Amino acid sequence: AQTVTQSQPEMSVQEAETVTLSCTYDTSESDYYLFWYKQPPSRQMILVIRQEAYKQQNATENRFSVNFQKAAKSFSLKISDSQLGDAAMYFCAYRSSGAGNMLTFGGGTRLMVKP
Amino acid sequence: SAVISQKPSRDICQRGTSLTIQCQVDSQVTMMFWYRQQPGQSLTLIATANQGSEATYESGFVIDKFPISRPNLTFSTLTVSNMSPEDSSIYLCSVEGFRDGYETQYFGPGTRLLVL
Repeated sequence: AQTVTQSQPEMSVQEAETVTLSCTYDTSESDYYLFWYKQPPSRQMILVIRQEAYKQQNATENRFSVNFQKAAKSFSLKISDSQLGDAAMYFCAYRSSGAGNMLTFGGGTRLMVKP
Repeated sequence: SAVISQKPSRDICQRGTSLTIQCQVDSQVTMMFWYRQQPGQSLTLIATANQGSEATYESGFVIDKFPISRPNLTFSTLTVSNMSPEDSSIYLCSVEGFRDGYETQYFGPGTRLLVL
């Protein structure tokens, strides 16, 4: 079974600065997807970014980018130019390739943004 | 992406009673998932629901406690039966859609349940 670990229960960042959230995972599969989801106080889970394991290029979405290290089984999220609206719980998640597979979530990191 | 709604958005229930949560999607989907998020915790999959077949439950979850219906490709319900305070959680419905050509899971807004 796959496991996902987020070692930082809480992080804080100054507005406009950059922060990196860590995620490691364990799997014996070679083909899979990795995700970062954001859950603000409204509790709506919002997809931030997705990475396909077979792609060497790191995914980027505007101010959000990942550092995907497949051999190390590491998948960190970098948030640049942090904004107050970035404050939320961030969950790293793993999904096997193919249709209909569940997500396995890490424990989450609470990000606080200081004005 | 898929637009997902859940009803109710929140509820306060007495122990021993049951609550049925509805999940509606704006498009036809094959797979629907139900997750539980206990206070301050991460999300745990309860079951996967396919239309026209029995739901598949994860370890630690049983049909008698969490019966699921999936009558068509846009709708599902999750019932939390014989509730106890330990069932106080957020329950989230999720569906699989496509983003940029790849399978991606989208989530409903969740149902916050408090059991007294």
